[in-house]
Amino acid sequence: AQSVTQLGSHVSVSEGALVLLRCNYSSSVPPYLFWYVQYPNQGLQLLLKYTTGATLVKGINGFEAEFKKSETSFHLTKPSAHMSDAAEYFCAVISFQKLVFGTGTRLLVSP
Amino acid sequence: ETGVTQTPRHLVMGMTNKKSLKCEQHLGHNAMYWYKQSAKKPLELMFVYSLEERVENNSVPSRFSPECPNSSHLFLHLHTLQPEDSALYLCASSQAARDRGHNEQFFGPGTRLTVL
Repeated sequence: AQSVTQLGSHVSVSEGALVLLRCNYSSSVPPYLFWYVQYPNQGLQLLLKYTTGATLVKGINGFEAEFKKSETSFHLTKPSAHMSDAAEYFCAVISFQKLVFGTGTRLLVSP
Repeated sequence: ETGVTQTPRHLVMGMTNKKSLKCEQHLGHNAMYWYKQSAKKPLELMFVYSLEERVENNSVPSRFSPECPNSSHLFLHLHTLQPEDSALYLCASSQAARDRGHNEQFFGPGTRLTVL
């Protein structure tokens, strides 16, 4: 079965700093990978996805992620954090036709 | 209405009550899901209705009962719940295809359930 591991339950950055949220996957087949964001008291919103093709995927709100097969990673980045980016971020992979989520990383942004 | 809607947004119930959560999707999808989100735990997939099949997580207690009358509506019937069932219940939908499995899922805002 495919799975994902998110390193760090909390990440703190200053406004304007680089955001890096880590996700590693385990898969015996080419994976379909996703990043979702959850703002307080809301459901999950898709940020970006990787299925096939270009390994650098651009998403909404200035986020992007790079699929690196050699490192089994799909880390999420944003060059400059905004206060509005404070939320919880989930990495996910398709496994046996189901979406399997990581445990989430809470991003804290300070002024 | 657009996307995926859920009602009610908040629900407080006693352990002897019976209540239902409702989800509606306006995206023309053919698969719908119930998830449970508890503090400090991964999202737990409870039930899937996809391509006219129902798939359930065998660890979900029988006090949770799903119903999917058509591809746009999904219910979660609750009875004799326990305090540990307090959580955020999320509904999602997607377009599933037999040859490619499930595509990305679109989530509703959730129902915050408190069981006293």
